[in-house]
Amino acid sequence: KAGVTQTPRYLIKTRGQQVTLSCSPISGHRSVSWYQQTPGQGLQFLFEYFSETQRNKGNFPGRFSGRQFSNSRSEMNVSTLELGDSALYLCASSSGLRVETQYFGPGTRLLVL
Amino acid sequence: AQSVTQLDSHVSVSEGTPVLLRCNYSSSYSPSLFWYVQHPNKGLQLLLKYTSAATLVKGINGFEAEFKKSETSFHLTKPSAHMSDAAEYFCVVSNSENTGANNLFFGTGTRLTVIP
Repeated sequence: KAGVTQTPRYLIKTRGQQVTLSCSPISGHRSVSWYQQTPGQGLQFLFEYFSETQRNKGNFPGRFSGRQFSNSRSEMNVSTLELGDSALYLCASSSGLRVETQYFGPGTRLLVL
Repeated sequence: AQSVTQLDSHVSVSEGTPVLLRCNYSSSYSPSLFWYVQHPNKGLQLLLKYTSAATLVKGINGFEAEFKKSETSFHLTKPSAHMSDAAEYFCVVSNSENTGANNLFFGTGTRLTVIP
């Protein structure tokens, strides 16, 4: 099976812009979770989508949003970018069952100037 | 609430010597615990997971971890370090058992350096 893919891999934006990141899960997986990784805050959970519905949400402002399509692909959007949004954004997929292993993609590295 | 504490931010070992990466957890429920590894500029790879079965869990690349409820610990070990083990290691707890949702709480990571 192909692994989790994320596009783009690298992105440079300026403050105030918005950005959309994409994640394609492993075939058959219905859950996609998003995480932000920064040197200062480490890895933090953003949100999880399961069957096109947001099932769980971390403690991030409303500028961070996401959605999931019927084929389980997911997008994450960040509006009004701030310098502090510079990070590695990771998505992970799983079957969506409890206590299930999550498989991570390579990440999208976002730099906000 | 779930959380994990990785007791060492950096561990340095010589090639061929044992590796010990320490992790303590806090969970209101029976936890599911994981160790993930992240090589430079790469995503996260699962090393092993504990889900209330055997307390000694064997993972990939010779790593194993022991769940000790009395000590709330889940330390990662390997008998003999290899140069390719140099990476960042994350101890992780899942809250799936509680909420039915599927999100992970990460420790702050331990950077493992292997000296030739």
